Amino acid sequence: SDELTQPASVSESPGQTARITCSGDGLLKQYSYWYQQKPGQAPVLVIYKDTERPSGIPERFSGSSAGTIVTLTISGVQAEDEADYYCQSTDSSGNYVIFGGGTKLTVL
Amino acid sequence: QVQLVESGGGLVKPGGSLRLSCAASGFFFQDYYMTWIRQAPGKGLEWVSYISDSGSTIYYADSMKGRFTISRDNGRKSLYLQMHSLRVEDTAVYYCATLENGINHWGQGTLVTVSS
Repeated sequence: SDELTQPASVSESPGQTARITCSGDGLLKQYSYWYQQKPGQAPVLVIYKDTERPSGIPERFSGSSAGTIVTLTISGVQAEDEADYYCQSTDSSGNYVIFGGGTKLTVL
Repeated sequence: QVQLVESGGGLVKPGGSLRLSCAASGFFFQDYYMTWIRQAPGKGLEWVSYISDSGSTIYYADSMKGRFTISRDNGRKSLYLQMHSLRVEDTAVYYCATLENGINHWGQGTLVTVSS
């Protein structure tokens, strides 16, 4: 299947570690990407190629991959990290872009 | 800095047509793949289409195939999306973005509303 599955919501307290998972068979062979979207704003790329962090993204954001599951980890989560997070990959051919359904991160 | 500015959104009746434009600046437009992404109100992100740097390679999401046409003018540093046979479910904010190691630069989007 080329679908990407994310939990609808994740909650964490400030200063703790938040983890958002994304699962899909295609992740075994294709890279994953993560985007943060705050209300009323365009998404921002926070992780690319499973584990790489674009310049300007805080070090508390990290990505990991294990088989068909990829994980976005936010260490020492802050109130400003409250947002929707989307994983993205491509289908098995590498030609079609697919998104997960999104996860709403609430910082309690 | 990279800037992408979409325009052309608005209210259109079901079955109607609309052409979106995206003006790029701050980077070598002709060297980048470009893509359109949309987001229905209160919903998640949905990929629409992408086009290669030269324009020779194009892909569409299945639900847009045959109704939408992506194109680019490298001389004008512009990306376009021609939309025909619009449906109520095409109502969304449409984002223009660069596609390199992920979707790394996004415009602020233009709202398309399909309603009678």
